[in-house]
Amino acid sequence: KQEVTQIPAALSVPEGENLVLNCSFTDSAIYNLQWFRQDPGKGLTSLLLIQSSQREQTSGRLNASLDKSSGRSTLYIAASQPGDSATYLCAVPLTQGGSEKLVFGKGTKLTVNP
Amino acid sequence: SQTIHQWPATLVQPVGSPLSLECTVEGTSNPNLYWYRQAAGRGLQLLFYSVGIGQISSEVPQNLSASRPQDRQFILSSKKLLLSDSGFYLCAWSVRRDRQYFGPGTRLTVT
Repeated sequence: KQEVTQIPAALSVPEGENLVLNCSFTDSAIYNLQWFRQDPGKGLTSLLLIQSSQREQTSGRLNASLDKSSGRSTLYIAASQPGDSATYLCAVPLTQGGSEKLVFGKGTKLTVNP
Repeated sequence: SQTIHQWPATLVQPVGSPLSLECTVEGTSNPNLYWYRQAAGRGLQLLFYSVGIGQISSEVPQNLSASRPQDRQFILSSKKLLLSDSGFYLCAWSVRRDRQYFGPGTRLTVT
């Protein structure tokens, strides 16, 4: 059974700091991994998708890495801004028969203080 | 470009009343469609998954049902709501193992 864990559950940093969010998963037979952002009371926004053949994916100040063998991914946010405050979730596919259903972590709630 | 709509945005319903939440997708064909529920402290839970019209997979035993009467329409229903059905309901779509895209969600409060 695929399980996803995100550490820490909450993080508070001053503006301008670089930070790393962690995601681990139990079954490494995945074909991709996604990172999402959720603002309070809103839906999820897809930030990055890393294919299983990739090690990294970058979008602006965001960089996600994937280490399938160890079952880990990190989301690096450079020069954090108050607008980055949100909950960040990672998700991996269930590995049963190539299913496209996702398993989500519970998220890391990030607060960037001005 | 693709767009996903959900309505209503918020809903307050008494226990025992029926429920119908609607989700529609524009700009894509034959998407996979998903209903999730997000309850405080419990993370995002997949409720239903559909790969085509009339094809619904139920992920957890519950008081809810789903239907897909058209390719890009996904409906979540209940005949009699329970207090435990309260939560934030999210619809999402994807194609060919690509990203999942989420709608704005419906906040349901059962009183």
